[in-house]
Amino acid sequence: DAGVIQSPRHEVTEMGQEVTLRCKPISGHNSLFWYRQTMMRGLELLIYFNNNVPIDDSGMPEDRFSAKMPNASFSTLKIQPSEPRDSAVYFCASSFAENRGYTFGSGTRLTVV
Amino acid sequence: GQQLNQSPQSMFIQEGEDVSMNCTSSSIFNTWLWYKQDPGEGPVLLIALYKAGELTSNGRLTAQFGITRKDSFLNISASIPSDVGIYFCAGQETSGSRLTFGEGTQLTVNP
Repeated sequence: DAGVIQSPRHEVTEMGQEVTLRCKPISGHNSLFWYRQTMMRGLELLIYFNNNVPIDDSGMPEDRFSAKMPNASFSTLKIQPSEPRDSAVYFCASSFAENRGYTFGSGTRLTVV
Repeated sequence: GQQLNQSPQSMFIQEGEDVSMNCTSSSIFNTWLWYKQDPGEGPVLLIALYKAGELTSNGRLTAQFGITRKDSFLNISASIPSDVGIYFCAGQETSGSRLTFGEGTQLTVNP
């Protein structure tokens, strides 16, 4: 298994631009999580899906952030418009069930200038 | 909300030394997990604990699920340079609830 695949690995964009981060979970996993990691706040859960349905999006910072999971093998996290304070590493993780260990992707390092 | 306190925040040790870190929660957990994050990568699961009092080893790593179900510790014996990274604890209150992560322990091992 290739694990959780995220793309791109790095993204540098100008303030105001739209950013789309992509994630392919492990085949057979039914839960998918989007995290943001910064030095100041550590790992923050943004949103998670169970069987492609968003369960809890209370961690999404504001309306500029949105996430979709159109099918079991793909999810996106979109930021529109992006701001410098969105700069962070964004991780996607998946699990077979919410009560089992998550497998993380390698992350997308986002820099908004 | 759920609080997970992880300590220490950072450790600087010499190669060969043993390391201990722990996490405490403000309420009872049913599951404790320990992850390691290498620079530029995502966290990787090291050990999972599912029963109070459980002691589990993975090579030089040993983790325990506290009897009170509000704490867990991770020990690394005979540290080596590749142990460098950030170690996270994570806990789950009930089956089906999401994981809560600790703030992480940054480990530096000097050769």
